[in-house]
Amino acid sequence: DTAVSQTPKYLVTQMGNDKSIKCEQNLGHDTMYWYKQDSKKFLKIMFSYNNKELIINETVPNRFSPKSPDKAHLNLHINSLELGDSAVYFCASSQVPYEQYFGPGTRLTVT
Amino acid sequence: KNQVEQSPQSLIILEGKNCTLQCNYTVSPFSNLRWYKQDTGRGPVSLTIMTFSENTKSNGRYTATLDADTKQSSLHITASQLSDSASYICVVSAPGYSSASKIIFGSGTRLSIRP
Repeated sequence: DTAVSQTPKYLVTQMGNDKSIKCEQNLGHDTMYWYKQDSKKFLKIMFSYNNKELIINETVPNRFSPKSPDKAHLNLHINSLELGDSAVYFCASSQVPYEQYFGPGTRLTVT
Repeated sequence: KNQVEQSPQSLIILEGKNCTLQCNYTVSPFSNLRWYKQDTGRGPVSLTIMTFSENTKSNGRYTATLDADTKQSSLHITASQLSDSASYICVVSAPGYSSASKIIFGSGTRLSIRP
């Protein structure tokens, strides 16, 4: 049983396209996150939802829009993709603050 | 500015040897410090978490130490195995949870174990 799952695992697309990454957790956690890991391997938090309510909204371009249909799902939609959006995107969830469980990541390549 | 710096950036050791990874931070106030292991192509997995009052925490062959006065932490790996090859990430959190700036990630140490 996968605790935190993401789809797709790899995503290659052209500049200007719109794409979505889906995340689901079966841990019963109340809080979910999206992180971006760049080529230098720094992980930066982008968004966090608690019980479907946005609680962290870091300064990311408004082309990025998270959507949480329920507390087990947090999807990331990206409009008008740019070259600089190429990175690995990780979804995570937690129940206890600061104890996060990460998904396997989605490697996004924008050409 | 809140920062987390890890050293070395990369490390190669022989299987069976011990090693120590360092993490220095300037995050203040401080809430807790975590060490994560990230295998290539996978998401980070938590190894240890320590609060201000804890100065050591073990998880099998992994032992983390924390000196909150000097703002330093180390992760010691004993009797390394090939499966220890991964990136090790130090994460420091400040109190409060509503701001992304309160969760600071280090860039990690890339550890390679050679047979």
